[in-house]
Amino acid sequence: GENVEQHPSTLSVQEGDSAVIKCTYSDSASNYFPWYKQELGKRPQLIIDIRSNVGEKKDQRIAVTLNKTAKHFSLHITETQPEDSAVYFCAASGGSYIPTFGRGTSLIVHP
Amino acid sequence: DAGITQSPRHKVTETGTPVTLRCHQTENHRYMYWYRQDPGHGLRLIHYSYGVKDTDKGEVSDGYSVSRSKTEDFLLTLESATSSQTSVYFCAISDPAGVGYEQYFGPGTRLTVT
Repeated sequence: GENVEQHPSTLSVQEGDSAVIKCTYSDSASNYFPWYKQELGKRPQLIIDIRSNVGEKKDQRIAVTLNKTAKHFSLHITETQPEDSAVYFCAASGGSYIPTFGRGTSLIVHP
Repeated sequence: DAGITQSPRHKVTETGTPVTLRCHQTENHRYMYWYRQDPGHGLRLIHYSYGVKDTDKGEVSDGYSVSRSKTEDFLLTLESATSSQTSVYFCAISDPAGVGYEQYFGPGTRLTVT
């Protein structure tokens, strides 16, 4: 089955800095790669996703890049703000519609 | 938030007792999932359903069973709860053939087994 590795497990940055979270996957058939944000005590919510026919996608301060050859994808957050502090999860899924999640990255943005 | 609720939201139970968690959706999404979330492990799939009466196991299904007798409800049962099943349980829904692959999560159920 699919295996998703996510790094780092914890990321601490100063407000205004950029943050990058990386994930690798094992199944070359995976074609959908979402990122979820989970604030403390809340449910995970989708913030951005990318499909395998696209190399990069951007939405304001967040962007996701995908390298299918190397089987890795990354989340980039620019101009970080304290409200970006949360746990971020990557996931990968294919034709089964059953995503496999990474273990999460705790992002801490210091004012 | 999508129309997805979970009940109960919190539960404390004793080892060996049966427990049933309910997930209810009003979105008519075909797929429903149960995950458990533990520190350092992310979201791990317990069981999922791809239609009424159609279910399959996830990576951590031992000790859990599910049922889906109608589109809107997906039940997770712990036949005999153990302390290792203390966790936060999330239900999720998706509609890959319709609105897309995105999963919508319920608010979660915090279960403590003493």
